[in-house]
Amino acid sequence: NAGVTQTPKFRVLKTGQSMTLLCAQDMNHEYMYWYRQDPGMGLRLIHYSVGEGTTAKGEVPDGYNVSRLKKQNFLLGLESAAPSQTSVYFCASSYSPDPALLKDTQYFGPGTRLTVL
Amino acid sequence: KQEVTQIPAALSVPEGENLVLNCSFTDSAIYNLQWFRQDPGKGLTSLLLIQSSQREQTSGRLNASLDKSSGRSTLYIAASQPGDSATYLCAVTMNRDDKIIFGKGTRLHILP
Repeated sequence: NAGVTQTPKFRVLKTGQSMTLLCAQDMNHEYMYWYRQDPGMGLRLIHYSVGEGTTAKGEVPDGYNVSRLKKQNFLLGLESAAPSQTSVYFCASSYSPDPALLKDTQYFGPGTRLTVL
Repeated sequence: KQEVTQIPAALSVPEGENLVLNCSFTDSAIYNLQWFRQDPGKGLTSLLLIQSSQREQTSGRLNASLDKSSGRSTLYIAASQPGDSATYLCAVTMNRDDKIIFGKGTRLHILP
């Protein structure tokens, strides 16, 4: 199992450019999450999904969009990047119906470091 | 609005000591509480998860307790080691909407 993977690991954008961050998990998890982590602010939930085809807003959703077309993938989009979106982005997944896996425990990806100039 | 607070923000202790990290939350309508570890430049690793109906969970030298009514959780680390140096975060999952709210973490440094 690869667990939770994120693509890309690093990215530099100019203000106004767009990009998509990809999160993939191979644990058959129902729930997936996107967070951003900033110094002094901790981890803040951007958007999350409780199943394929569903999405919901977290604490800081403005400026981001998400899609969950396939159960294993959760995409985070920035349509027009701003310097305030410079951050480290983490994806996580949880809740597998498989009794062999720990229900509810969140598994995190390694993060994507995004800089917007 | 749920607020999760971790005190202290940073802690340094000599190797071998037992220590306690604190987490408090303002809304007791939680589904579970998790403790995570984060090493510099890395993602988070789940250490312990306590369901709202449970009082504590143990894994090796780690013990986490939960007092939902008072909005508090503690992470106890026994016989600390330099390898325990990391940032420890707690997070609660809300009953009403499955949102997960994190504290800002405690940065722990174990002195050899």
